[in-house]
Amino acid sequence: RKEVEQDPGPFNVPEGATVAFNCTYSNSASQSFFWYRQDCRKEPKLLMSVYSSGNEDGRFTAQLNRASQYISLLIRDSKLSDSATYLCVVINTNAGKSTFGDGTTLTVKP
Amino acid sequence: NAGVTQTPKFQVLKTGQSMTLQCAQDMNHNSMYWYRQDPGMGLRLIYYSASEGTTDKGEVPNGYNVSRLNKREFSLRLESAAPSQTSVYFCASGRDFKTEQYFGPGTRLTVT
Repeated sequence: RKEVEQDPGPFNVPEGATVAFNCTYSNSASQSFFWYRQDCRKEPKLLMSVYSSGNEDGRFTAQLNRASQYISLLIRDSKLSDSATYLCVVINTNAGKSTFGDGTTLTVKP
Repeated sequence: NAGVTQTPKFQVLKTGQSMTLQCAQDMNHNSMYWYRQDPGMGLRLIYYSASEGTTDKGEVPNGYNVSRLNKREFSLRLESAAPSQTSVYFCASGRDFKTEQYFGPGTRLTVT
């Protein structure tokens, strides 16, 4: 079993839809969590951190469920420009080890 | 601020050749990382440097060596390139190993 797992998708949604991605992790010692966005053939870019209490940035909401060991990303009112691959990363701060998921591909269609 | 810079952007090597990928950051970050990303796949950690003067193996270190030259620079060396090392290589840096990472634009390497 992979340490970090994401549904690869693709998720194809119409503009204006709400879409959610999950990312599960196996190591309960993991302590830092982030979501990144990667456009085709470009470098990953930080989208948002994930805090225990949940956090929101405009149309994006990230949540952490430590009991079930997953993080989630919710995108409301999808835009065409949201089309990308979304990567989660989980950091085991005790080991200093960061692990990326393989990514979930989102395509927003007109 | 340039952020994280990588050179070269593209490189073609023949099997057995060696080369060094350069990475530099101007954000005064302590931690630096090297990843590879194969087509349609996620990022895999090759080596990382939690702080200046230290380096550690990641998930896929075989065939690579690294040098943390100073706080700004972290290089990745392929001693004898193999076709299996054809990939996109990303360098990243972070304030420390617990925090978010910022990526360079990548080096696209083809080994024939």
